[in-house]
Amino acid sequence: SQQGEEDPQALSIQEGENATMNCSYKTSINNLQWYRQNSGRGLVHLILIRSNEREKHSGRLRVTLDTSKKSSSLLITASRAADTASYFCATLPTGGGNKLTFGTGTQLKVEL
Amino acid sequence: GAGVSQSPSNKVTEKGKDVELRCDPISGHTALYWYRQSLGQGLEFLIYFQGNSAPDKSGLPSDRFSAERTGGSVSTLTIQRTQQEDSAVYLCASSKLAGGSTDTQYFGPGTRLTVL
Repeated sequence: SQQGEEDPQALSIQEGENATMNCSYKTSINNLQWYRQNSGRGLVHLILIRSNEREKHSGRLRVTLDTSKKSSSLLITASRAADTASYFCATLPTGGGNKLTFGTGTQLKVEL
Repeated sequence: GAGVSQSPSNKVTEKGKDVELRCDPISGHTALYWYRQSLGQGLEFLIYFQGNSAPDKSGLPSDRFSAERTGGSVSTLTIQRTQQEDSAVYLCASSKLAGGSTDTQYFGPGTRLTVL
């Protein structure tokens, strides 16, 4: 079963706008990661945030983590058409070896 | 190689046939993972290998599914007597250091399996 749940399931915005996606999870985690997937094929790792971190930046990406609420958000600023993809959060549970548990994903469409 | 590679990229088979999917991880990565993604869904963990340890098979959906990793490198996922519900994209990933708070998994392009 999927631990992570992203919302919204789908998001459509105009180029230049910001896109925010949220992820909720159920168990305690070691870290939380965001991945991007184009056209239903291979995933590309975007950013990893550890359980003792609250915010992390990478280029136009900003990730926050609230372990008390068991939630994370991914913000993409100044979106581009090339950002159109599916975005997944994945959690590494504490004591769970190295098995990532993926959410169901948010489909982002950035229109010109 | 520069990244994780998988073959074939697409496989169409008839119900009841066996299929083998191959994964070549990044050189030097000790951990290898298989996931399955059904249409429009998230990834479902299947199995992972870490070095010479016994693999974690807890995600395999039935005994028709098996995987092996030879010489700590290449892995083969075998599905016997395929069923239509096995149709999905099968993704392989590898990571340098299994476990730990900053380990990152690198994914291959996947094999799209269609069972007719």
